Amino acid sequence: GESVGLHLPTLSVQEGDNSIINCAYSNSASDYFIWYKQESGKGPQFIIDIRSNMDKRQGQRVTVLLNKTVKHLSLQIAATQPGDSAVYFCAEKNTGTASKLTFGTGTRLQVTL
Amino acid sequence: DSGVTQTPKHLITATGQRVTLRCSPRSGDLSVYWYQQSLDQGLQFLIQYYNGEERAKGNILERFSAQQFPDLHSELNLSSLELGDSALYFCASSPRTGGDIQYFGAGTRLSVL
Repeated sequence: GESVGLHLPTLSVQEGDNSIINCAYSNSASDYFIWYKQESGKGPQFIIDIRSNMDKRQGQRVTVLLNKTVKHLSLQIAATQPGDSAVYFCAEKNTGTASKLTFGTGTRLQVTL
Repeated sequence: DSGVTQTPKHLITATGQRVTLRCSPRSGDLSVYWYQQSLDQGLQFLIQYYNGEERAKGNILERFSAQQFPDLHSELNLSSLELGDSALYFCASSPRTGGDIQYFGAGTRLSVL
């Protein structure tokens, strides 16, 4: 069964295309950001993180971009595959003052064949 | 597999009852975090323990309490349950605190009838 809200923004992407998922974060003092992937019935799974002293970080098939000026984060997935279908959350933290992660509302990625 | 173990996977109970959710963190992790995920509120931080001590508190109701034991496993106790407490409850762990990645368990789905 579904484990996240019913009214999530949805991004539909064809298999093989690149996906870009966007996130606006709320706290200008946040200095650490994480992207998580959540498949139905499972817990959030770490994808990639970035600290505020960086603008870009690359992983395997994924790239995170950080624009602190406009408080915007994006996750780029190259050559999207059916297994990438999930809900994606960005999360932020101020490592100096807080231990908790503050999560965004999430984006549902649907990969069509 | 994140290495974080949560039991039970599902709990069905009645209003007014009390339940205990259990979390075993990844080997070596000292911090445990509890989050609640509901359809209308998304992922919300409840509480963090670090090496047996409460470190941070979020939007945790007074009817809820938690503790971390000497072996570092943690329990979340929910009492006087209400229909609105139905949600997914996730535990996450990290080596320390601050800028560490939080790894999530698969969650406990609580249904209050």
